[in-house]
Amino acid sequence: SQQGEEDPQALSIQEGENATMNCSYKTSINNLQWYRQNSGRGLVHLILIRSNEREKHSGRLRVTLDTSKKSSSLLITASRAADTASYFCATVLLSGNTPLVFGKGTRLSVIA
Amino acid sequence: GAGVSQTPSNKVTEKGKYVELRCDPISGHTALYWYRQSLGQGPEFLIYFQGTGAADDSGLPNDRFFAVRPEGSVSTLKIQRTERGDSAVYLCASSLGAGLADEQFFGPGTRLTVL
Repeated sequence: SQQGEEDPQALSIQEGENATMNCSYKTSINNLQWYRQNSGRGLVHLILIRSNEREKHSGRLRVTLDTSKKSSSLLITASRAADTASYFCATVLLSGNTPLVFGKGTRLSVIA
Repeated sequence: GAGVSQTPSNKVTEKGKYVELRCDPISGHTALYWYRQSLGQGPEFLIYFQGTGAADDSGLPNDRFFAVRPEGSVSTLKIQRTERGDSAVYLCASSLGAGLADEQFFGPGTRLTVL
């Protein structure tokens, strides 16, 4: 079963615009991670935010976490055509089970 | 250094056949994970190894699926009597340890098609 739900399912923007993707989850977590996937194959880890953190930055990426609402957002600023991919949030549960629990993903298209 | 590799990259088989999918983790990584991703979905956990032992196999859908990691490095996912519903991309990941914040590095996946 999948714990996370990304919103929107698909997003299309112009190059240079910002892209915001949201993720909601159901059970308490140790941390939440965002991944990017190109062409339906290997996933690339983007950023990890722990349950006691509220915001984190990495380059053009900004992630927020609201544990009271069980939600997270990923903001990509000044998007580029190369950012076109599917983006997944994945949670690590408090139970200590280390396998990642993924959402269904947001498909981002950045138009040049 | 080399990342996680998976072979074959694509596998087409007929219903009822047996298949083996191989994963070579990053050298020195003690934890290894198998996930399955169906079209339009996120990856779903199958099994993970800490060293040679399966620490959690709760994601394996049924007893047709089995995985081994005999020497604590390479792992093989084995599927018996394949069914059309087994068609998916099978992803392998490894991490240095099995800590809650240990980053998992993913391979490119094996796309399995059961005709």
